[in-house]
Amino acid sequence: DGGITQSPKYLFRKEGQNVTLSCEQNLNHDAMYWYRQDPGQGLRLIYYSQIVNDFQKGDIAEGYSVSREKKESFPLTVTSAQKNPTAFYLCASSVGGSSYNEHFFGPGTRLTVL
Amino acid sequence: GQQVMQIPQYQHVQEGEDFTTYCNSSTTLSNIQWYKQRPGGHPVFLIQLVKSGEVKKQKRLTFQFGEAKKNSSLHITATQTTDVGTYFCAASFGNEKLTFGTGTRLTIIP
Repeated sequence: DGGITQSPKYLFRKEGQNVTLSCEQNLNHDAMYWYRQDPGQGLRLIYYSQIVNDFQKGDIAEGYSVSREKKESFPLTVTSAQKNPTAFYLCASSVGGSSYNEHFFGPGTRLTVL
Repeated sequence: GQQVMQIPQYQHVQEGEDFTTYCNSSTTLSNIQWYKQRPGGHPVFLIQLVKSGEVKKQKRLTFQFGEAKKNSSLHITATQTTDVGTYFCAASFGNEKLTFGTGTRLTIIP
């Protein structure tokens, strides 16, 4: 069954700790994305990757880091430098990096920093 | 940066009434996509519009792309409880990225 998985669904961390969110896809998609969703602000792009071993900053990359060592995986690390990390994080993939390709979203990870 | 304004932010309708959400840009768009996010869920792709003046229908949903490719709308006829959720537009300004609108949250009063 093809799709995108994100784990865990809920994550709690203490302030000052780095945390890594997992995103895996078995759709054989080249492009992967990380979005942050806050109430009333829609989805904002953090990082995206159009091909393995390459990624670009999105609109709100400060305080975040990513890697793309495998086609199937695009983990996101929320570092202690991110000033307001509590949010709902959505991973997505698409066939290619063109904006004409639809996004397939994972179920999301809700991160709460205490 | 380039933005897409989506209105209204919230809409409460009686079941059976119609619903419309709008996305507007000051810059010409290459294409626009629409997504639906059910409460507690993740966005799911509905449709893509590419051509000037394009109109597409999916059962009770009608999607339009303006003649100048600067605005788009999603209209739902005779809403049902299954229509509850947040509807997002996502537009491209000719680069690789999609810029999402802030979404319109639709609630249905039975």
